[in-house]
Amino acid sequence: EAGVTQFPSHSVIEKGQTVTLRCDPISGHDNLYWYRRVMGKEIKFLLHFVKESKQDESGMPNNRFLAERTGGTYSTLKVQPAELEDSGVYFCASSQVTGGTEAFFGQGTRLTVV
Amino acid sequence: GENVEQHPSTLSVQEGDSAVIKCTYSDSASNYFPWYKQELGKRPQLIIDIRSNVGEKKDQRIAVTLNKTAKHFSLHITETQPEDSAVYFCAASRGSYIPTFGRGTSLIVHP
Repeated sequence: EAGVTQFPSHSVIEKGQTVTLRCDPISGHDNLYWYRRVMGKEIKFLLHFVKESKQDESGMPNNRFLAERTGGTYSTLKVQPAELEDSGVYFCASSQVTGGTEAFFGQGTRLTVV
Repeated sequence: GENVEQHPSTLSVQEGDSAVIKCTYSDSASNYFPWYKQELGKRPQLIIDIRSNVGEKKDQRIAVTLNKTAKHFSLHITETQPEDSAVYFCAASRGSYIPTFGRGTSLIVHP
């Protein structure tokens, strides 16, 4: 069975451009999470989907970030326009149930804004 | 909300030594504490977890201890090997809440 997959693995964009990250969770996992890790800091929660619904988006830094999960399958995270401080590794994770259980991570997308 | 502090940020040991990583949490209602290992260029993967009804759990060379009163939990790795070199993340969650992660510990095991 395929694990959580993320595309692209790396992205280098200029300040002001738009980038869209994609996450394909493990099949059958209703819960999908986006996290971000800035160099040397914690893996910080961004938002949580249950199927296609946003359950919690309290971690989204600002309205330049837009996440969608149409049809409750894969998810996209768009950053528009990108700023320098958006650089970091964006992780996606999925789980069968919410909380109290293992979350399966993707390999992450390393975003560099120059 | 939950706040998880993790120490140290970097830990360097000689092969064969033990390594201990400590985390504290703020929400006394947290009841699930997973540990993830992220090797260079790979995804974070769960290596061990503990629930609040247990004080200690072991899996071969890895053990986790939990002190609910003090609200801290620790990862212990014995007889470290070079392949243990990675970034380790602790996390805490309660019920259906999203796990809150620590900032990670970079463990370096020197041959």
